[in-house]
Amino acid sequence: QVQLVQSGAEVKKPGASVKVSCKASGYTFTSYGISWVRQAPGQGLEWMGWISAYNGNTNYAQKLQGRVTMTTDTSTSTAYMELRSLRSDDTAVYYCARDGPGMTTATPPDYWGQGTLVTVSS
Amino acid sequence: EIVLTQSPATLSLSPGERATLSCRASQSVSSYLAWYQQKPGQAPRLLIYDASNRATGIPARFSGSGSGTDFTLTISSLEPEDFAVYYCQQRSNWPPVFTFGPGTKVDIK
Repeated sequence: QVQLVQSGAEVKKPGASVKVSCKASGYTFTSYGISWVRQAPGQGLEWMGWISAYNGNTNYAQKLQGRVTMTTDTSTSTAYMELRSLRSDDTAVYYCARDGPGMTTATPPDYWGQGTLVTVSS
Repeated sequence: EIVLTQSPATLSLSPGERATLSCRASQSVSSYLAWYQQKPGQAPRLLIYDASNRATGIPARFSGSGSGTDFTLTISSLEPEDFAVYYCQQRSNWPPVFTFGPGTKVDIK
């Protein structure tokens, strides 16, 4: 069965960086893209960006351009999301999610990781 | 940038009632509109993709309709497990960009 298992919770100081991992299993990793979505406490969902696991092409949300980098390691079927220059409003649960059904380059995710809580606090 | 608006913000209904949720886009998104359900402490669950297609394993009481800028998610008869927050999401083909709506909370009346 398809599974996305994310790394554990992190506590970071303002200005630091965080790197969250997402290990995929149960499908051919390079056949699907991965989106990263975050959710601040009590708030809605915010799309952060997308990466093709096939060729590494990325597209990031405009508000995070310059602070976020998404990568994949096809040898371990793992996706990574690094966010730099952390601020208190980056405190959120971060999800990775696999492309789902549809005919466009990126498609609405159908399998999600369990989420990783990143807390930014001095 | 496409903005999604959902209404109402909260819908208070009883089990067995019909729920109608609306999502409006600031410009046409064709049929590239999905619906998600999220319960507290859980990841979102894909219900509907491309406006009207049920995702794998989604019960038939969930249906989606619309195209262009106006979309509807209908739950024909609410089950106790359907009380949750529902988000619509649009996507563009290239470059791939996704946007979520602010959500509609369906709670028990």
